[in-house]
Amino acid sequence: KNEVEQSPQNLTAQEGEFITINCSYSVGISALHWLQQHPGGGIVSLFMLSSGKKKHGRLIATINIQEKHSSLHITASHPRDSAVYICAVQYGGATNKLIFGTGTLLAVQP
Amino acid sequence: NAGVTQTPKFRILKIGQSMTLQCTQDMNHNYMYWYRQDPGMGLKLIYYSVGAGITDKGEVPNGYNVSRSTTEDFPLRLELAAPSQTSVYFCASSYWPGVYEQYFGPGTRLTVT
Repeated sequence: KNEVEQSPQNLTAQEGEFITINCSYSVGISALHWLQQHPGGGIVSLFMLSSGKKKHGRLIATINIQEKHSSLHITASHPRDSAVYICAVQYGGATNKLIFGTGTLLAVQP
Repeated sequence: NAGVTQTPKFRILKIGQSMTLQCTQDMNHNYMYWYRQDPGMGLKLIYYSVGAGITDKGEVPNGYNVSRSTTEDFPLRLELAAPSQTSVYFCASSYWPGVYEQYFGPGTRLTVT
């Protein structure tokens, strides 16, 4: 079992739909990251959160520490939101490394 | 700021050849990382560095070497390339101590044939 599980693996939506991507992890963490990767492109950090909720434009990220679960929501989705969304957990400490999920491929159709 | 830059963007190697992937950051981050991304898999940590002169192995270090002679640069060396090293390689950097976001370079797509 992976330390970080994302669902769904693939998601197709119509423009304007509300989208939710889920991430579950197995042990306590220092922080959880949501990242975006466009096809053939680099990786961009969207959110880093350790509790509660963060919002940036049409993107909202939430985390429930007790349930070890996070969600990324996209409101009023647009074709330019089509990308791979990656959840990663951070344990802190000397390594400060990230453990990544396998990503959710989102396609938003016009 | 340019952020994290990587060269080359693409490279094709023959089995047994060697090469160095370059990574530079201009944000004065002390932590730097090398990841590889394989289709259908999450990114895996190859090596990381907590500062100039200090490096350590990640999850998948075999077949690779790194050095960190300056804060800015963190090159990744592939010796005796193998088809299993065909992947996309990302360099990243962050501040430490504390929990901070990681900044990623644009990636290097490497094919070993």
